[in-house]
Amino acid sequence: DTGVSQNPRHKITKRGQNVTFRCDPISEHNRLYWYRQTLGQGPEFLTYFQNEAQLEKSRLLSDRFSAERPKGSFSTLEIQRTEQGDSAMYLCASSLEGGHSYEQYFGPGTRLTVT
Amino acid sequence: AQKVTQAQTEISVVEKEDVTLDCVYETRDTTYYLFWYKQPPSGELVFLIRRNSFDEQNEISGRYSWNFQKSTSSFNFTITASQVVDSAVYFCALSPSNDYKLSFGAGTTVTVRA
Repeated sequence: DTGVSQNPRHKITKRGQNVTFRCDPISEHNRLYWYRQTLGQGPEFLTYFQNEAQLEKSRLLSDRFSAERPKGSFSTLEIQRTEQGDSAMYLCASSLEGGHSYEQYFGPGTRLTVT
Repeated sequence: AQKVTQAQTEISVVEKEDVTLDCVYETRDTTYYLFWYKQPPSGELVFLIRRNSFDEQNEISGRYSWNFQKSTSSFNFTITASQVVDSAVYFCALSPSNDYKLSFGAGTTVTVRA
């Protein structure tokens, strides 16, 4: 069990550019979550998948954001036409639905800075 | 709607002191789960405990203990005999039983000085 991994760890981009982040969950976990954390705040839910199905999206997820989990394994989060307000830590978590515990295991996050 | 309030923004203690972190929640669900996570300076959220709304027993794990009081909608966390390694941001979180997205509080930054 190698834990949840996220790449890249840091991303600096100019306003208006597109960025894509990747999350690799714990291998047997069928649920995958994306959260966003801004400085001094707790993480805020963005969206989650059960296998390859995207089950819920937060209103925080504007139409510039899109997430996929094509084969029910890794997931990508893309932000188009980035804005300075998108600067945040993007966290991925995974869990095993129906497992002994419902804990979400978090990755180290991708810190996005939009200049 | 669900809401988690951590009124304490920062707490600073000297090593070996006890520290209690407050968490108050709001939910309309009759069943729900409460969590505490630790976020050390490295940034990765670390799961500490999960408690379901039917289980009001207090729990102790080493130097950590949790006090769940449904009557006051509180789920407080105490670190006994704090150590420098306990310095981190601690988050309380809430999740409905049938939907596992977490609603986090704003966090409490704990600084333990040697």
